[in-house]
Amino acid sequence: DIQMTQSPSSLSASVGDRVTITCRASQSISTYLNWYQQKPGKAPNLLIYTASSLQSGVPSRFSGSGSGTDFTLTISSLQPEDFATYYCQQSYNTPLYSFGQGTKLEIK
Amino acid sequence: EVQLVQSGAEVKKPGESLKISCKGSGYTFTSYWIGWVRQMPGNGLEWMGIIYPGDSNARYSPSFEGQVTISADRSISTAYLQWSSLKASDTAIYYCARARDSSGYWHLSFYYWGQGTLVTVSS
Repeated sequence: DIQMTQSPSSLSASVGDRVTITCRASQSISTYLNWYQQKPGKAPNLLIYTASSLQSGVPSRFSGSGSGTDFTLTISSLQPEDFATYYCQQSYNTPLYSFGQGTKLEIK
Repeated sequence: EVQLVQSGAEVKKPGESLKISCKGSGYTFTSYWIGWVRQMPGNGLEWMGIIYPGDSNARYSPSFEGQVTISADRSISTAYLQWSSLKASDTAIYYCARARDSSGYWHLSFYYWGQGTLVTVSS
């Protein structure tokens, strides 16, 4: 199984800050990495697929990068609606699409 | 408009059986993989398995193999997740999610999600 490890597990930041969340895979997954945002009581929302492709309708302040084992999700300027939990998911090992443990982004 | 509508919350006792549903609309149901995801109280997302409604080809994460059954009825555009004998540890929210693309089996991402079904198992 491919293990996905996110860091940090939680993060406090202010509106307007630039934030980076990291996801590391236990083996190379090429660029088969998705990012989701989940707000309390809601289903996850796809932000980024294949590491760097922005899902239609997602604000351009979100971006993804990386390949192999190391990936990042960057929010260029935090907005109030961005405070949520973020999950990475590998889609390399079809159909065992494991998630990272999540990163909770909180208001400072 | 693509929608996945899941069945309502359930309260069951240990040992009981359960089948929850996920009805797709606004797209060709048989052309897109559907996955199931578990979220235990206060925890993260866990990938359970996936099904292609076109031929009911289902695959499971090892952690869930033998514990649940994923199925689909294409005549009513509905996917299912079922248990034959529930445990207290099955208490969670269960989400269904549709693949973003119909382009195949590999390297999928999931754009459309159901609203979640809360399953509570308690004696």
